[in-house]
Amino acid sequence: GESVGLHLPTLSVQEGDNSIINCAYSNSASDYFIWYKQESGKGPQFIIDIRSNMDKRQGQRVTVLLNKTVKHLSLQIAATQPGDSAVYFCAENGSGNQFYFGTGTSLTVIP
Amino acid sequence: DSGVTQTPKHLITATGQRVTLRCSPRSGDLSVYWYQQSLDQGLQFLIHYYNGEERAKGNILERFSAQQFPDLHSELNLSSLELGDSALYFCASSPRWDPQETQYFGPGTRLLVL
Repeated sequence: GESVGLHLPTLSVQEGDNSIINCAYSNSASDYFIWYKQESGKGPQFIIDIRSNMDKRQGQRVTVLLNKTVKHLSLQIAATQPGDSAVYFCAENGSGNQFYFGTGTSLTVIP
Repeated sequence: DSGVTQTPKHLITATGQRVTLRCSPRSGDLSVYWYQQSLDQGLQFLIHYYNGEERAKGNILERFSAQQFPDLHSELNLSSLELGDSALYFCASSPRWDPQETQYFGPGTRLLVL
């Protein structure tokens, strides 16, 4: 079955710095990917998505990069703020029309 | 606030018991998805309903079942509960049946099986 993994379980950054969160996926047939943010005690919140026919997509302060050759996804957060502290999940739309989620990276922003 | 509501927020029960978790999707959304989130497994997709019909099944145990009612709310039934069923259970909704639509998650139900 599919597996979606994260390179680092925790990440600490200084406020104002850029953050990069990485994710590896295993199903080369996956054609849709999402990044979610989950704050403590809350449900996952959609941040940004990307389809496999793109290699980059930008949102407000966030950019997702997709490298299909090495099956790698990254989330870049510009000018990280304390409110960005949360767990970030990547998810891929794999076989059976369902999403497979990574275990998450915990981002801590140091003021 | 995503617009998805889940009840109850917390549930404590004993092994062998049965519980029902409830989810109301965002107004107008026809799809409901159920997920289990445990500390060691992350988010696991359980099941997807669209307009009352089951659309996809994930890693859902036979002891678990779900349904979506005509008013589009959904219930997840967990029976013969085991300690390992302790987890956060989320539902999410989206407008149509396509899993590539953005899913909006509810706040979750925290289940503790003692």
